Amino acid sequence: AQTVTQSQPEMSVQEAETVTLSCTYDTSESNYYLFWYKQPPSRQMILVIRQEAYKQQNATENRFSVNFQKAAKSFSLKISDSQLGDTAMYFCAFMKARRGAQKLVFGQGTRLTINP
Amino acid sequence: EAQVTQNPRYLITVTGKKLTVTCSQNMNHEYMSWYRQDPGLGLRQIYYSMNVEVTDKGDVPEGYKVSRKEKRNFPLILESPSPNQTSLYFCASSYDQDLGTDTQYFGPGTRLTVL
Repeated sequence: AQTVTQSQPEMSVQEAETVTLSCTYDTSESNYYLFWYKQPPSRQMILVIRQEAYKQQNATENRFSVNFQKAAKSFSLKISDSQLGDTAMYFCAFMKARRGAQKLVFGQGTRLTINP
Repeated sequence: EAQVTQNPRYLITVTGKKLTVTCSQNMNHEYMSWYRQDPGLGLRQIYYSMNVEVTDKGDVPEGYKVSRKEKRNFPLILESPSPNQTSLYFCASSYDQDLGTDTQYFGPGTRLTVL
């Protein structure tokens, strides 16, 4: 079975700083997807970024980027120039890349606070 | 607007009183699923459906039922709710991967309290 671990329950940084959220996972699959979801106080689940395991290039979405280390099974999220609106719970998630296997396996979450 | 809707958004009930949380999507998605979110545990899948009349258990199915009579709807049924089912519930939908996209779209969540 796949597992996802986020070892940082809470983090706090000042506005405009860069912050990195850690995520490790365990799987025997060779092809899969990894995601970071953001959950603001509204509770809505918002997709931040996704990474296909077969791609060596790290995904980037504006101020958000990942460091994907397939051999180490590590998938960290870097937020540059952090903003107050980035304050949220962040979840790392794994999904097999197989037809009909669209279950997301989530980590425990990291609560990120951006301070003014 | 493409979206997944859930109703109700908030529900307080008592042990043993049957309830249904509805989920509907307007994106013609084949795949739908239910998750529950609990502190320190992240989100865990309860049930999923790959298409109409095709449903299967996820990781935490005990105490829940689902049905998929129409492609757009996937209700979650609690026949006899218990306090340990107090949680935040999310419905999600997506295309089948063969069609080239697998991003899951989440509903707004339903906060359920069972007294």
